[in-house]
Amino acid sequence: EAGVAQSPRYKIIEKRQSVAFWCNPISGHATLYWYQQILGQGPKLLIQFQNNGVVDDSQLPKDRFSAERLKGVDSTLKIQPAKLEDSAVYLCASSLEHTDSYEQYFGPGTRLTVT
Amino acid sequence: GEDVEQSLFLSVREGDSSVINCTYTDSSSTYLYWYKQEPGAGLQLLTYIFSNMDMKQDQRLTVLLNKKDKHLSLRIADTQTGDSAIYFCAEQSSASKIIFGSGTRLSIRP
Repeated sequence: EAGVAQSPRYKIIEKRQSVAFWCNPISGHATLYWYQQILGQGPKLLIQFQNNGVVDDSQLPKDRFSAERLKGVDSTLKIQPAKLEDSAVYLCASSLEHTDSYEQYFGPGTRLTVT
Repeated sequence: GEDVEQSLFLSVREGDSSVINCTYTDSSSTYLYWYKQEPGAGLQLLTYIFSNMDMKQDQRLTVLLNKKDKHLSLRIADTQTGDSAIYFCAEQSSASKIIFGSGTRLSIRP
């Protein structure tokens, strides 16, 4: 079974530029999560999708971050414009059912550096 | 608010047992988890415990939960070099959101 795929693995941009990350969850997984992991900290949930609907985006900085999962499969996370404090690893995870969220499978992450 | 705390570092000798501790704040947490993160990789679920249990054992891993003190621990028996990683404690809050601690970096001495 293929795992959660993410691309790119690394990205370096200047502040005020835009960036987009892509995630392909495990086939059949209805729930998709985006986390931000700042160096030395644990992951922080940004947004959670159930199929193509948003379940929780309470910690997403909506003035600059956006995410979509149009067909209920792949998802993209965008930052526009980026700030220095956005430097982090962005992790995507998926699970089969919303109520079984303990079975989250994580991708390798995208490491973003904002200069 | 919801918070999960862990010590930052732990160093153990190869072959000894490792005990990683965690405290959490949400008394209505349903599940508590331990994740492992190796360098450059995502998080891997190691084990979890439901809040009505006191202990769970899975091969070399033993999870202890003290719900009264909101304290969770992970014991790794016969620690090996492959156990070197960052270990994250996490709680599933009443809002069905998972809150992660900052992680404990486990290093193994020969």
